[in-house]
Amino acid sequence: GENVEQHPSTLSVQEGDSAVIKCTYSDSASNYFPWYKQELGKGPQLIIDIRSNVGEKKDQRIAVTLNKTAKHFSLHITETQPEDSAVYFCAASKPGTASKLTFGTGTRLQVTL
Amino acid sequence: KAGVTQTPRYLIKTRGQQVTLSCSPISGHRSVSWYQQTPGQGLQFLFEYFSETQRNKGNFPGRFSGRQFSNSRSEMNVSTLELGDSALYLCASSLDSRSSGNTIYFGEGSWLTVV
Repeated sequence: GENVEQHPSTLSVQEGDSAVIKCTYSDSASNYFPWYKQELGKGPQLIIDIRSNVGEKKDQRIAVTLNKTAKHFSLHITETQPEDSAVYFCAASKPGTASKLTFGTGTRLQVTL
Repeated sequence: KAGVTQTPRYLIKTRGQQVTLSCSPISGHRSVSWYQQTPGQGLQFLFEYFSETQRNKGNFPGRFSGRQFSNSRSEMNVSTLELGDSALYLCASSLDSRSSGNTIYFGEGSWLTVV
């Protein structure tokens, strides 16, 4: 089955700096790659997603890049703010089973003042 | 537009008991999937329902079951609870999981503690 690896497990950055979280997936058939932010005591919140026919997608301070050849995708957060502190999860799914997400192990991002 | 609603938010059960969790998807969404989140295993897919039919299933024992009603609301049941079933159970909804343009939204989860 699909396996998604996520790095780093923890990341501490100063406010205003950029943060990058990387994920690799094993199944080349995967075509949908969402990123979720989970705050303490809450459910995962979708922050951005990318499909395999696109190499990059940006939404204000957040961007995701996808390298299908390397089976690698990354989340980039620029100008980080304290409210960006949370656990971030990457995930992948295949055509026809888009609700069956395989998640990475999560990255705890801490933005310090 | 209301999000995915899960009830109850918190519950405590005793080993051997059974539990039923409820999920109301976003209006218009017909696909409901369930996930278990634990510190040790992370987020794991349980099963997905679409139009009252189970469409996909994860690698969980038969003690974990679910169903979906005609209004797309879903319930999941765990029988003969074990201590290891303590987890955050998350419900997610989407328009149609087979669509490549599908976006999946999660609820706040139901925290289950088994003692």
